[in-house]
Amino acid sequence: KQEVTQIPAALSVPEGENLVLNCSFTDSAIYNLQWFRQDPGKGLTSLLLIQSSQREQTSGRLNASLDKSSGRSTLYIAASQPGDSATYLCAVLTQGGSEKLVFGKGTKLTVNP
Amino acid sequence: EAQVTQNPRYLITVTGKKLTVTCSQNMNHEYMSWYRQDPGLGLRQIYYSMNVEVTDKGDVPEGYKVSRKEKRNFPLILESPSPNQTSLYFCASSIWTSTDTQYFGPGTRLTVL
Repeated sequence: KQEVTQIPAALSVPEGENLVLNCSFTDSAIYNLQWFRQDPGKGLTSLLLIQSSQREQTSGRLNASLDKSSGRSTLYIAASQPGDSATYLCAVLTQGGSEKLVFGKGTKLTVNP
Repeated sequence: EAQVTQNPRYLITVTGKKLTVTCSQNMNHEYMSWYRQDPGLGLRQIYYSMNVEVTDKGDVPEGYKVSRKEKRNFPLILESPSPNQTSLYFCASSIWTSTDTQYFGPGTRLTVL
């Protein structure tokens, strides 16, 4: 059974810092991995989707990497801003016929001005 | 505007009173799914649908029903709600399957007394 772990559970940084959020998964047979952002009381917004054949994806100040063999992904946020404060979730789609995402519990990021 | 809508956004009800949470998307997506989010447990999939009249169970389907009579709508039905179904519910959709980027609705906060 796929399990997704995100470390740390919470992170507080001063504005301007570069930071890395971590995601690990137990079953490396995945179709893809997605990173989402969730603001308090809101739905999830997809940030980046990495297919299993890809090593990384970039969008603006965000860069996500995937090492499928070791079951790890990182989300790098450059030059963090207070508006980046949110909970970041990673989710994997495991091969094997079941069309469902398995989510980690998230990292709550606070960027202090 | 491309979006996933859910109604109601907030609902307080009593044990045993049947309710329906509606979900609608205007992006002509094939795939739709329902999740619940609970503190400490993260997001878990309830049901998903690959196409009209095609639905399947996720991780926590007990106590829920769904239907997919039209492509754009995917209602979640609680025939006899219980307090353990108090949760934050999200509907999501994607173009073809869960391998594509998923778009989430704003969430429905349900309280069952």
